[in-house]
Amino acid sequence: DIQMTQSPSSLSASVGDRVTITCRASQSITWYLNWYQQKPGKAPKLLIHAAASLQSGVPSRFSGRGSGTDFTLTISSLQREDFATYYCQQSYSSPWTFGQGTKVEIK
Amino acid sequence: QVTLKESGPALVKPTQTLTLTCTFSGFSLSSTGMRVSWIRQPPGKALEWLARIDWDDDKFYSTSLKSRLTVSKDTAKNQVVLTMTNMDPVDTATYYCAREEWYSSVGTRALDIWGQGTMVTVSS
Repeated sequence: DIQMTQSPSSLSASVGDRVTITCRASQSITWYLNWYQQKPGKAPKLLIHAAASLQSGVPSRFSGRGSGTDFTLTISSLQREDFATYYCQQSYSSPWTFGQGTKVEIK
Repeated sequence: QVTLKESGPALVKPTQTLTLTCTFSGFSLSSTGMRVSWIRQPPGKALEWLARIDWDDDKFYSTSLKSRLTVSKDTAKNQVVLTMTNMDPVDTATYYCAREEWYSSVGTRALDIWGQGTMVTVSS
């Protein structure tokens, strides 16, 4: 199975900050990398697919980059509604696997 | 509008078999390329992908749980069923089903629509 490792596990930031989350795959997954946002008590929401393609309706302050084994999710100017947990997920080969999550908290 | 909803028991006893149903609308699992996955999340922990069934009845399972899982579909009822045998307290989690979308422009897939989830507690 392909292992997905996110860093950091959690971070504290203020409204307006630029935030970057990293996801690393245990082998190359080319661009088969998705990002999800999950708020407490809610189902995950797809933010980005194919490493850098913004899902319809997702604000443009979210962006994704990377290919191969190293990927990033960036929030250019953190808004109050962005405080949540973010997960990466590979869709390169079955079984699909998720990262362990990064919790973005209010400083 | 695409929706999915999970249903099943909220409480199961250790060693019992769990059966969950995902009832969906807005798409057909008989359409070429369509897929539905099951994912779970123990309280306070990360997401864990469990299983997937494809439009052509191909099935894929988590490596660690493969021996305990079975996924099936009823295309006429727009339902996907997941069974998990020999339940243990560590299987206590919220169980989600999700549709997998194919993004032809980039040639990739992602879980684009999720159900609300159903919490299952394993306890005697």
